[in-house]
Amino acid sequence: AQSVAQPEDQVNVAEGNPLTVKCTYSVSGNPYLFWYVQYPNRGLQFLLKYITGDNLVKGSYGFEAEFNKSQTSFHLKKPSALVSDSALYFCAVRDSLDKFYFGSGTKLNVKP
Amino acid sequence: DAGITQSPRHKVTETGTPVTLRCHQTENHRYMYWYRQDPGHGLRLIHYSYGVKDTDKGEVSDGYSVSRSKTEDFLLTLESATSSQTSVYFCAISTGQGAGNTIYFGEGSWLTVV
Repeated sequence: AQSVAQPEDQVNVAEGNPLTVKCTYSVSGNPYLFWYVQYPNRGLQFLLKYITGDNLVKGSYGFEAEFNKSQTSFHLKKPSALVSDSALYFCAVRDSLDKFYFGSGTKLNVKP
Repeated sequence: DAGITQSPRHKVTETGTPVTLRCHQTENHRYMYWYRQDPGHGLRLIHYSYGVKDTDKGEVSDGYSVSRSKTEDFLLTLESATSSQTSVYFCAISTGQGAGNTIYFGEGSWLTVV
């Protein structure tokens, strides 16, 4: 069965510092991996995805994610955090039937 | 903007009453989904549809039914609402473009069952 784990409920980082939000996955077949961001009382917004190719994927708002097959991880990163990056972040995996499975979410707090 | 409209956006209903949430899309995507979001659980798939009148169950389908009689509309029905179904419900579509298939979400429907 496909699954995604986000081991941290919350990540705190100071503005200007690099941030990492962790995600590990379990999937049969090729991994199709995604990151989404959710602001309060809003729907999820697509940030980036890994399908194949380069292990470092670049996405919206300066975010990037690193795919590591041996560690079955897909961590979200940003070199310099902004206060406006504070939100809820979800990792997701898609299976061969085009169903998407989401992690439990990580709340990112960026402090001035 | 993925052209997804959910209605109603907010609803309070009583235990035991039926409730229908509607999802409407404007771009003729084949795949549509209903998720619920609860603290500590993230998003969990309730039902999804891969075409008109073609639906399948997700992880948490008990107590829910769906219908898709037109490409653009995907209805989620709670036959007899319970307090455990108080949640935020998100409709989504996916682009269905092979390996690059990506899911996009509506703005959510807040349901409270009292």
